[in-house]
Amino acid sequence: AQTVTQSQPEMSVQEAETVTLSCTYDTSESDYYLFWYKQPPSRQMILVIRQEAYKQQNATENRFSVNFQKAAKSFSLKISDSQLGDAAMYFCAYRRSYNQGGKLIFGQGTELSVKP
Amino acid sequence: DAGITQSPRHKVTETGTPVTLRCHQTENHRYMYWYRQDPGHGLRLIHYSYGVKDTDKGEVSDGYSVSRSKTEDFLLTLESATSSQTSVYFCAISESHGPGELFFGEGSRLTVL
Repeated sequence: AQTVTQSQPEMSVQEAETVTLSCTYDTSESDYYLFWYKQPPSRQMILVIRQEAYKQQNATENRFSVNFQKAAKSFSLKISDSQLGDAAMYFCAYRRSYNQGGKLIFGQGTELSVKP
Repeated sequence: DAGITQSPRHKVTETGTPVTLRCHQTENHRYMYWYRQDPGHGLRLIHYSYGVKDTDKGEVSDGYSVSRSKTEDFLLTLESATSSQTSVYFCAISESHGPGELFFGEGSRLTVL
C-alpha cells in the first residue's frame, strides 16, 4: 500500500525568508501524481502545486516550488519570500495515475508558522 | 472556486444517534469522496463514489455508510454515532481525467458527546 510521510509536524519561518517542507512517499508504481495542499485557519483546502511523476522538471507556481526526487521518493515544498498569509497546515498527497477514482493519500501535515 | 456545499457545517450530537452529512456539487464531476481529518492523521478516506449508485470503501469506512442517488449529491451516514467519530469531515470531488486533484468543500465539524 502506498504511504505518505511528513516528518515535520511543525515548522517556523521568518517573514521574507525561505522554508522547505519535507515529504516522502512509498510506492511501487512508476506513474503517479504528487500534490501539496494548504489549509489555512479557515479550514479550506487549497491546491498549491502538483507534480507528474513522468516529468523530470520540478513544478513551480510563483513563490512555491518543489524538489522532486523520484528515486529517493521525496517531494519537498519550498516557499520563497514567506508571507504572513502562508501560515497554514500543509499536506502532501499522492495519487496513482491509474487509481480508480483518483483517490488521494495524504500525509499527516506540517503546520507552518510565519513570524513577522 | 468549485461549487461544493456541505451541510451541516457544524453539528453536536449524542452517542448512539444517527447523523447524515450532505455534500452537494454543481460541477457535474464524476467522482466524490468523504474524508475525515484528525490531528496527527492528516486526511483519511472514508468512502468514495465513481458514479450514481457506485460507491466503494476507503481506509476508515467502519461505522459509516454512503449513498449517491444523483450525480450532485453524496450523503455520509453514521448509523449510530460514537465519540471516536468526532472529527472534521470533508467532501471532495474530482474529474475523471487529468491529474485528478481534489476540490474540497469547506468541511463539517461533528462533535459526538
